[in-house]
Amino acid sequence: SQQGEEDPQALSIQEGENATMNCSYKTSINNLQWYRQNSGRGLVHLILIRSNEREKHSGRLRVTLDTSKKSSSLLITASRAADTASYFCAPRGSNYKLTFGKGTLLTVNP
Amino acid sequence: DGGITQSPKYLFRKEGQNVTLSCEQNLNHDAMYWYRQDPGQGLRLIYYSQIVNDFQKGDIAEGYSVSREKKESFPLTVTSAQKNPTAFYLCASGLAGTQETQYFGPGTRLLVL
Repeated sequence: SQQGEEDPQALSIQEGENATMNCSYKTSINNLQWYRQNSGRGLVHLILIRSNEREKHSGRLRVTLDTSKKSSSLLITASRAADTASYFCAPRGSNYKLTFGKGTLLTVNP
Repeated sequence: DGGITQSPKYLFRKEGQNVTLSCEQNLNHDAMYWYRQDPGQGLRLIYYSQIVNDFQKGDIAEGYSVSREKKESFPLTVTSAQKNPTAFYLCASGLAGTQETQYFGPGTRLLVL
């Protein structure tokens, strides 16, 4: 299955700290995407990293991809209370489907 | 404003009733998707469509039906055959192709009376 599995399931940190979430998957991919979901809302796309890329940055977000280990990580630096949300990774193979895991619930305490 | 909209925000279904969830986008996207999300769970794909007048079953299509008569619209019907319909339903759209990202609507929460 292409489904990503996020780790940890829940993460609680203080404002200003960094948050790291990990994702593992099982099959080869074209790209891997990270999404954020605020409680009771739709998902918002954060960043896409292609299979031939190893690292990508977007503002306070840093994503790494290790295709040999079939894993990715999302780092949020200098976290804010507004970063409180669930974060999902979605590996993308050769078909049209994105497959989401259960996500990491991040709580940033003021 | 460009975007993807879903209506209604909350929907109540009686036993044995079919209900239809609306999804509209004005992003000129070819691809549209329906997902189901249960509490504390990830998203599961119900149906998807890469082009008008064509759609495919996802991982949990039983008890659901869709149509794609217009590029902008991809309504989902939850039929009486779906025995456990209570969930949060999310619609998404994107450019067709394997590099696409998906843009999500705000969701519809379906509850059974």
